[in-house]
Amino acid sequence: NAGVTQTPKFRVLKTGQSMTLLCAQDMNHEYMYWYRQDPGMGLRLIHYSVGEGTTAKGEVPDGYNVSRLKKQNFLLGLESAAPSQTSVYFCASTGQPNTEAFFGQGTRLTVV
Amino acid sequence: RKEVEQDPGPFNVPEGATVAFNCTYSNSASQSFFWYRQDCRKEPKLLMSVYSSGNEDGRFTAQLNRASQYISLLIRDSKLSDSATYLCVVNRGLNKFYFGSGTKLNVKP
Repeated sequence: NAGVTQTPKFRVLKTGQSMTLLCAQDMNHEYMYWYRQDPGMGLRLIHYSVGEGTTAKGEVPDGYNVSRLKKQNFLLGLESAAPSQTSVYFCASTGQPNTEAFFGQGTRLTVV
Repeated sequence: RKEVEQDPGPFNVPEGATVAFNCTYSNSASQSFFWYRQDCRKEPKLLMSVYSSGNEDGRFTAQLNRASQYISLLIRDSKLSDSATYLCVVNRGLNKFYFGSGTKLNVKP
C-alpha cells in the first residue's frame, strides 16, 4: 500500500551542487505536483504535471526543473543548489479533478 | 494578497473543549475545498472535504460560505491526539491546490 513515495528523505548539499528528487506513485494518477514548505509560508507549488510528458510552472519555479517521462514518476531537479532552497519538499498526486491530493513523506533538504 | 489565509494560532485548549478554525480564500472561482491535518515533521493528510451543504465526520464539522469566501472547521470534544496543524486547502481548477499556512492546535490534559 505504497501510495506516494519520495526519495531521498533527507539530504545535505553544498551550495552549487545538483541533485534530483524522485517521486513515485502507484495509484495511476494523472496529476502530480512538487511543493516546498517553509515556516510560516504554507506549501507553495513549484511545478506540476497534468499527465505523462507534460509539465508546467507553479508559484515558485525558479531554480528548479522537472520531468515526467513516465506516468508514475515525477522528478524534481536542482541544477545549482542555493541556501534559499533549504526547505521541506513534498510531492503529491491526484486522480480525478477536484479530488483530494495524496502526499509523499517529504524530503528535508539543507543547502549549506 | 494570499490565496488562502488562516490564523496561525496556536490555539491552546483543554481536553474536551470545542474549538473552531476559520479560513478565507481570495478567488471566487475556487471549486473545491479541503481541510488537511499535518503532524510535526510529517506529510499533510486529508481530514475532510468541505461541501457547500456542510458536512460532518464524527467530532469534526466543516462549513463553506461561498458568498463570504470562508471555510470553517469545528472540532468537538477535543482529544490529545487532535494536536496538530490544520491546513485549509482550496482547489481552483486544473487541480491546482492552494494551501493556507496552517493553524496550530495544542490540546492539553
